[in-house]
Amino acid sequence: EADIYQTPRYLVIGTGKKITLECSQTMGHDKMYWYQQDPGMELHLIHYSYGVNSTEKGDLSSESTVSRIRTEHFPLTLESARPSHTSQYLCASSEGSGGNEQFFGPGTRLTVL
Amino acid sequence: KQEVTQIPAALSVPEGENLVLNCSFTDSAIYNLQWFRQDPGKGLTSLLLIQSSQREQTSGRLNASLDKSSGRSTLYIAASQPGDSATYLCAVNNYGQNFVFGPGTRLSVLP
Repeated sequence: EADIYQTPRYLVIGTGKKITLECSQTMGHDKMYWYQQDPGMELHLIHYSYGVNSTEKGDLSSESTVSRIRTEHFPLTLESARPSHTSQYLCASSEGSGGNEQFFGPGTRLTVL
Repeated sequence: KQEVTQIPAALSVPEGENLVLNCSFTDSAIYNLQWFRQDPGKGLTSLLLIQSSQREQTSGRLNASLDKSSGRSTLYIAASQPGDSATYLCAVNNYGQNFVFGPGTRLSVLP
């Protein structure tokens, strides 16, 4: 079944640790996105990709980095987690570049102690 | 720069009522408009996508309309149920641009 997956769903980690949030989609979509959302607050785009080897920064500045080595995989990495990184991270994908329908994963809730 | 607003910010209604959620955007030259539902702590579920050439889309008890010239979209929910309680977000994009999201309307349907 075509879908978009995120792991882990929940992560509690100490300050200074390196973390990678995984996102995979089986829909063959070219464009993928990472959003950050604090509880009860708006979504903010932090990274996106048009396809393999393409990565762009979004509207909200983030200390995280992303990579796109395979079409289906778009991981997000924090080299040194801090309490200010505590948030929900949502991955999404869409077909093409013209703004087709976006599909979201279930999200990863990150807590940095 | 595209800006999206949603009114009301929160809404509480008794079960069975028909209701309307509003979405406004500043740049009317949009390519698509998409309505989502988000349950607490979860990802977004796509409800309806309206392309710029369309006036409305329907899915079950949901009907979304689009008036590009006035920069507005409405999401109509018929015969609301407690299971409809969630935050509803609209998002618009101009061609080649990323989606811009509104802040959402938090809906509570009381049994």
